[in-house]
Amino acid sequence: NAGVMQNPRHLVRRRGQEARLRCSPMKGHSHVYWYRQLPEEGLKFMVYLQKENIIDESGMPKERFSAEFPKEGPSILRIQQVVRGDSAAYFCASSPPPGHTLYNEQFFGPGTRLTVL
Amino acid sequence: GENVEQHPSTLSVQEGDSAVIKCTYSDSASNYFPWYKQELGKGPQLIIDIRSNVGEKKDQRIAVTLNKTAKHFSLHITETQPEDSAVYFCAASIGTGGFKTIFGAGTRLFVKA
Repeated sequence: NAGVMQNPRHLVRRRGQEARLRCSPMKGHSHVYWYRQLPEEGLKFMVYLQKENIIDESGMPKERFSAEFPKEGPSILRIQQVVRGDSAAYFCASSPPPGHTLYNEQFFGPGTRLTVL
Repeated sequence: GENVEQHPSTLSVQEGDSAVIKCTYSDSASNYFPWYKQELGKGPQLIIDIRSNVGEKKDQRIAVTLNKTAKHFSLHITETQPEDSAVYFCAASIGTGGFKTIFGAGTRLFVKA
């Protein structure tokens, strides 16, 4: 059973370009979370999604950032017109659906390290 | 909203000694408290968790305690080894159908051989 997969692992973009980060949850998991981690800091919650539905996006910046989790395929975190301050590690986590014995637990992927030049 | 504070930010111990990391949370509705270990260049890995109906949980050299009244929870690592060196994060969440998890700022643990 493969863990949470994220790609790319490293992404370099110039200011003004778009960044698309992908996350494939663990098999059987229905919930996906995105976090941002700046160097030497903790994880900051961004957004929580189920398939085709955003549950909580209270941690997402109001502009340039969007997330989706389509019925088929991975979850996508999209950052438009990137700026240097967007440089960070972006982690995705997934969890089983409610009712599962491990429904609270989040399993993290290896992260995507975004560098904006 | 929920706030989680974690102390200390850095902890250095001698191999074989114990390490204790403490966290406090603000939202009394929080009922799930996981601890994660993050090694350099990797994603966080769940090492132990505790739910609000339990006061203490132990798994080999790792134990976690929860004081709901004081809204404190702690991680205890005994007989530390150099491979325990990493950043440890505490977190709190409310399991009411949405599991937004708030993380502490992390503790960088150094275990000196």
